[in-house]
Amino acid sequence: DTGVSQNPRHKITKRGQNVTFRCDPISEHNRLYWYRQTLGQGPEFLTYFQNEAQLEKSRLLSDRFSAERPKGSFSTLEIQRTEQGDSAMYLCASSLEQGKYQRGSRADTQYFGPGTRLTVL
Amino acid sequence: AQTVTQSQPEMSVQEAETVTLSCTYDTSESDYYLFWYKQPPSRQMILVIRQEAYKQQNATENRFSVNFQKAAKSFSLKISDSQLGDAAMYFCAYRRANDYKLSFGAGTTVTVRA
Repeated sequence: DTGVSQNPRHKITKRGQNVTFRCDPISEHNRLYWYRQTLGQGPEFLTYFQNEAQLEKSRLLSDRFSAERPKGSFSTLEIQRTEQGDSAMYLCASSLEQGKYQRGSRADTQYFGPGTRLTVL
Repeated sequence: AQTVTQSQPEMSVQEAETVTLSCTYDTSESDYYLFWYKQPPSRQMILVIRQEAYKQQNATENRFSVNFQKAAKSFSLKISDSQLGDAAMYFCAYRRANDYKLSFGAGTTVTVRA
């Protein structure tokens, strides 16, 4: 178990360019999440995958953002026509679903990657 | 929508002493989970401790313990015998029981003085 990895760790781009980030979750984890963290704030949820299916997208995820998880393994997050307001740390997390929720269930732990820091000039 | 509030932007503690971080949350749910995550500078976030709302007993993990007050919607973290390696940003997070996404507070920066 090598943990959640993300690439690149840092990305500097010019406004208007497209960028793509990659996340490799822990191998047996079936859930994958993307969060965005701006300086001095806590992470905010962006989107979630159960295996290869994208089940929810936050209203923070504008039409310029797209995420995929082909074959339920790694995931990519693409931002088109970047804006300065997109500058942030993009965090990926993964977890192993414990089964359908029942009262008394133990919460599955989300394991976070190191993040990709995006700077848009 | 659930909101998580951490009212202490920064806390400082002497090595070997105890520090308590506060967290309050707003929810109309009865079943949910609460978490404290630690984010060291330039390193990834790791889970420190978690609490299931249906459990009355406060969770403990070695030097870390929580004071969960469900009626008051309060979830504080106590770090005992503070060590230099405890210096980090600490985030309180909430998750509805049959949901998956975490809602985080703004974080508390903990500094440990040698």
